[in-house]
Amino acid sequence: AQSVTQPDIHITVSEGASLELRCNYSYGATPYLFWYVQSPGQGLQLLLKYFSGDTLVQGIKGFEAEFKRSQSSFNLRKPSVHWSDAAEYFCAVGAGNTGKLIFGQGTTLQVKP
Amino acid sequence: GAGVSQSPSNKVTEKGKDVELRCDPISGHTALYWYRQSLGQGLEFLIYFQGNSAPDKSGLPSDRFSAERTGGSVSTLTIQRTQQEDSAVYLCASSLESLAGGLGEKTQYFGPGTRLLVL
Repeated sequence: AQSVTQPDIHITVSEGASLELRCNYSYGATPYLFWYVQSPGQGLQLLLKYFSGDTLVQGIKGFEAEFKRSQSSFNLRKPSVHWSDAAEYFCAVGAGNTGKLIFGQGTTLQVKP
Repeated sequence: GAGVSQSPSNKVTEKGKDVELRCDPISGHTALYWYRQSLGQGLEFLIYFQGNSAPDKSGLPSDRFSAERTGGSVSTLTIQRTQQEDSAVYLCASSLESLAGGLGEKTQYFGPGTRLLVL
C-alpha cells in the first residue's frame, strides 16, 4: 500500500538558518509528489510538485525539493528560513489513476528569532 | 482567478444532527476531491469526482457520509447523524485533469476548509 512518512513531527530552526524537511514514500510505480504548507486556520497551499524529469524542483517562497528514487525520498529544503515560514508542512504522493493524495503526518516548523 | 471556496467556514452541531458542507471548485476544473483532517488521523482522502464518471467513494468512513456533485461543479458533502468523532476540518480540492491533459493537471488546489465541531 502507498504511504508517506515524515519522520520529524516538530522542527525548530533559527531565522536565517537552512532547513531540510524529510519525506519518504512507499509506492509501487513512478510517483508524483507534492509539498504543501498549512498556516494555522488555513487550507493547504502548494509549494512545489514533481511529476517527471529534473529531480530537483523549485517552488514558491524559495523552497526546493529533490526526488531521489533510490532512497524513496523527496526532501524539502530552503537555504535561509524566514519567520513567516513557521507553519505545518505536508508531503504527499499521488496514488493511482484517481489522483487521490496520500499525505504524511506533517512536520511543524517553528522559527526562532 | 478565484480559488476553491468552501462554506460554511465553521459549523457547530449537536450529536445526531445532519450537516451539509459545500465546495465550489476552481472554474473549469473537472476533478474534485474531499479530504478530512483530524488530530488523530491526519489528512485522509474521502471521495473523488471526475467529470461524469462514477465517483471513487473508497475513503468514506461510514454510510453516514455521502457526497454529490451537481452539474460537474459544486459539491456537497453530507454527514448524517453526526458523531463526536466526525469533528474535523473538511477540505475540498480541485484539479484540471482534462482528457488530453498531462500529469501536471493532476495538481490539486485546496480550499480553506470547513471546521466541524460535533458537541
